[in-house]
Amino acid sequence: DAMVIQNPRYQVTQFGKPVTLSCSQTLNHNVMYWYQQKSSQAPKLLFHYYDKDFNNEADTPDNFQSRRPNTSFCFLDIRSPGLGDAAMYLCATSTLLGEIDQETQYFGPGTRLLVL
Amino acid sequence: GIQVEQSPPDLILQEGANSTLRCNFSDSVNNLQWFHQNPWGQLINLFYIPSGTKQNGRLSATTVATERYSLLYISSSQTTDSGVYFCAVELNTGTASKLTFGTGTRLQVTL
Repeated sequence: DAMVIQNPRYQVTQFGKPVTLSCSQTLNHNVMYWYQQKSSQAPKLLFHYYDKDFNNEADTPDNFQSRRPNTSFCFLDIRSPGLGDAAMYLCATSTLLGEIDQETQYFGPGTRLLVL
Repeated sequence: GIQVEQSPPDLILQEGANSTLRCNFSDSVNNLQWFHQNPWGQLINLFYIPSGTKQNGRLSATTVATERYSLLYISSSQTTDSGVYFCAVELNTGTASKLTFGTGTRLQVTL
């Protein structure tokens, strides 16, 4: 089945130690998104890629970076994780705009990050 | 930015009961989606509903865009319906559909 895959499902890192989360998709969607969801809060958009074009949200900290080497893969890099970065990180995809019911975002299962 | 409020924040139902969840938003939006987040964190899209009414099994949703609200109906609730329900409004940027999520309704269905 076509899907959005995130690895690992759980990630433990140390304060200040760089960490990379990965997302892959078999949907061949143009757009990929990264969201951060802290405990008991709603998901919050960090950035998105439209093809290779990177779009950062204004309030996303510089500590968060992203790479999209090809259509299928997208990575979230946290350069120096702090205790406040502990959260669920969700990857999502969507396809070209303008097609009815084609703008739905499909979410991966998430990676839960713990910072010690 | 746009504000998206959901009510009630928490809801406990006995299995078999019906419920209505509400989503209010503060400005015009391109589209609206309803999601269910299960206890393991997976977000499942339930409805893509910019306006009108849609039904899928025991679930249905209605969006009245001119009055800036949407409703999610759950009938004959089951324990597997437990989790958090989010509405999310969509602003089209031309290259992506950026979602702003509501505050969520946490639903617990008991036997």
